[in-house]
Amino acid sequence: EVQLVESGGGLVQPGGSLRLSCAASGFTFSNYWMHWVRQAPGKGLEWVSRINNDGSSTRYADSVKGRFTISRDNAKNTLYLQMNTVRAEDTAVYYCATFSDHGWGQGTPVTVSS
Amino acid sequence: DIQMTQSPSSLSASVGDRVTITCRASQDVGNGLDWYQHKPGKAPKRLIYTASNLQTGVPSRFSGSGSGTEFTLTISSLQPEDFATYYCLQHNIYPYTFGQGTKLEIK
Repeated sequence: EVQLVESGGGLVQPGGSLRLSCAASGFTFSNYWMHWVRQAPGKGLEWVSRINNDGSSTRYADSVKGRFTISRDNAKNTLYLQMNTVRAEDTAVYYCATFSDHGWGQGTPVTVSS
Repeated sequence: DIQMTQSPSSLSASVGDRVTITCRASQDVGNGLDWYQHKPGKAPKRLIYTASNLQTGVPSRFSGSGSGTEFTLTISSLQPEDFATYYCLQHNIYPYTFGQGTKLEIK
């Protein structure tokens, strides 16, 4: 059974840092490009970032460029999102996603507040 | 950035109705468009990929069409479990962009 399980969300102060993880199982993780998508409270879905299958190529939304870093460890079947210099507008549920047959995780909530 | 404009933003319909949702792109995205269904507290579920291909396991009452800048998602006969929010996603040009969503509610 395919599973994508996010973790690492929580409450963080403005200007702080947080690292999200997404543990993948049930498929060959190293074959797939991976994405982070977020949904702010009461808002729609927003694509955040993408990494290719071997980690050599990354892309970001303008809203997070220079602050967030996507990475992966194919030996651990895990995707990461390092979030630095967070802002109130980064408050959202963060999903990892394959944009393929293997779907999305359930999401992990991040709240940026003092 | 490519803007994806979905219409309508909300829709009230009855079980058995035929429903069409439209997504217009501000630039040509070829067939690089997917449709997702999202229910509160759940992971978004892909229904259609590359504009017109039905995701495995998705009922055949869902269909997608279009290319370039105009795309449609059609539900031929609404079922109770179809009431949700629907999003289009263009994945042809970075940054990828979603439509603003269409909330489908029970009349």
